[in-house]
Amino acid sequence: GENVEQHPSTLSVQEGDSAVIKCTYSDSASNYFPWYKQELGKRPQLIIDIRSNVGEKKDQRIAVTLNKTAKHFSLHITETQPEDSAVYFCAASPGGVYNQGGKLIFGQGTELSVKP
Amino acid sequence: NAGVTQTPKFRVLKTGQSMTLLCAQDMNHEYMYWYRQDPGMGLRLIHYSVGEGTTAKGEVPDGYNVSRLKKQNFLLGLESAAPSQTSVYFCASTGARGKYFGAGTRLSVL
Repeated sequence: GENVEQHPSTLSVQEGDSAVIKCTYSDSASNYFPWYKQELGKRPQLIIDIRSNVGEKKDQRIAVTLNKTAKHFSLHITETQPEDSAVYFCAASPGGVYNQGGKLIFGQGTELSVKP
Repeated sequence: NAGVTQTPKFRVLKTGQSMTLLCAQDMNHEYMYWYRQDPGMGLRLIHYSVGEGTTAKGEVPDGYNVSRLKKQNFLLGLESAAPSQTSVYFCASTGARGKYFGAGTRLSVL
């Protein structure tokens, strides 16, 4: 089955620096890769996603890149702010958004701390 | 439009007790899911449903049962709770813009 590995498990940066979180997946059939942000005690919230027919997607300070050959994808946050502090989860879908029930396999999470 | 609503928010059980977690969504989504979240392990899929009357096993289904009698509701049952089921449980549904999560249920089994 699909397996998703996420690194690092913790990341500390200074306000204004960039942060990069990387994930690798095992199932080459995966074609949908969302990223979730979870603040302490809150629910996971979708912040950006990418499909396998696209190599990069950007939304303001957040960008995601996908390398299908290497089976890895990354989240990039630029000009980090203290409110970016949270746990970030990557995920991969073996069958896309709806195929195979739209199942997502999640990475283990990265705790990002942005120091003012 | 309340989105995805979970009840209860907190619960403490003794080993061997049973309980049902309720998930309701008002977005007319076909697909619904139950995940559990444990420290350092991300979210793991317990069971899911692709429509009313259907259910399927996820990554960690043992010790849980589910039912989807109505499209808007997805119930997660623990027949005989065990300490290993202490976790935070999240329900989710899938729409055109991705997965929407409920606020979670924090369950402790003593």
